[in-house]
Amino acid sequence: NAGVTQTPKFQVLKTGQSMTLQCAQDMNHEYMSWYRQDPGMGLRLIHYSVGAGITDQGEVPNGYNVSRSTTEDFPLRLLSAAPSQTSVYFCASSYSSWRINTGELFFGEGSRLTVL
Amino acid sequence: ELKVEQNPLFLSMQEGKNYTIYCNYSTTSDRLYWYRQDPGKSLESLFVLLSNGAVKQEGRLMASLDTKARLSTLHITAAVHDLSATYFCAVALYLISNFGNEKLTFGTGTRLTIIP
Repeated sequence: NAGVTQTPKFQVLKTGQSMTLQCAQDMNHEYMSWYRQDPGMGLRLIHYSVGAGITDQGEVPNGYNVSRSTTEDFPLRLLSAAPSQTSVYFCASSYSSWRINTGELFFGEGSRLTVL
Repeated sequence: ELKVEQNPLFLSMQEGKNYTIYCNYSTTSDRLYWYRQDPGKSLESLFVLLSNGAVKQEGRLMASLDTKARLSTLHITAAVHDLSATYFCAVALYLISNFGNEKLTFGTGTRLTIIP
């Protein structure tokens, strides 16, 4: 059981370039989300999805785009990278809370992005 | 807007000592999570606290939740080096508009270093 898989693990971009961070989970979780982690700021929610075809913005959505065409995949797109987007990005998933569950998030290993 | 504050932000303690990490939050919630993160790694779920007065224990770690005080504590008993990590609390807000899911807001983390 792979859990939550993120790729790539490391990426260096130049300002203005675009890229996609991939996230896949094999636990049949309805809920998927992207966080960014910056020193001294904890984790901040970028976008989330409660099922295929349904996405919404989190706390810091600007400069990022998402889509959810399948239950398994939730890619995060950087449209035009900026140095302020240098961060570690985590994808996380869980069962939807309308089921009887704890709402516990399962995290991927993270993707470290540097924008020059 | 939900605010989650952890203290201390940094904690250096000797092996064998006891200490407590505090997590205060600003809005009513009855669901709180504790996560552990080792350097350069992902987040691992430690405890899920689902109601007022909930207490969970695993080894040398014990977490509790007081929803009236909007406070959770993570108590470390007789610390050992293996407990060195960053610990995050995360507070859940149930959002009807969020298709019945929860929005998790993370604290900034407590970096714990256990000194031999």
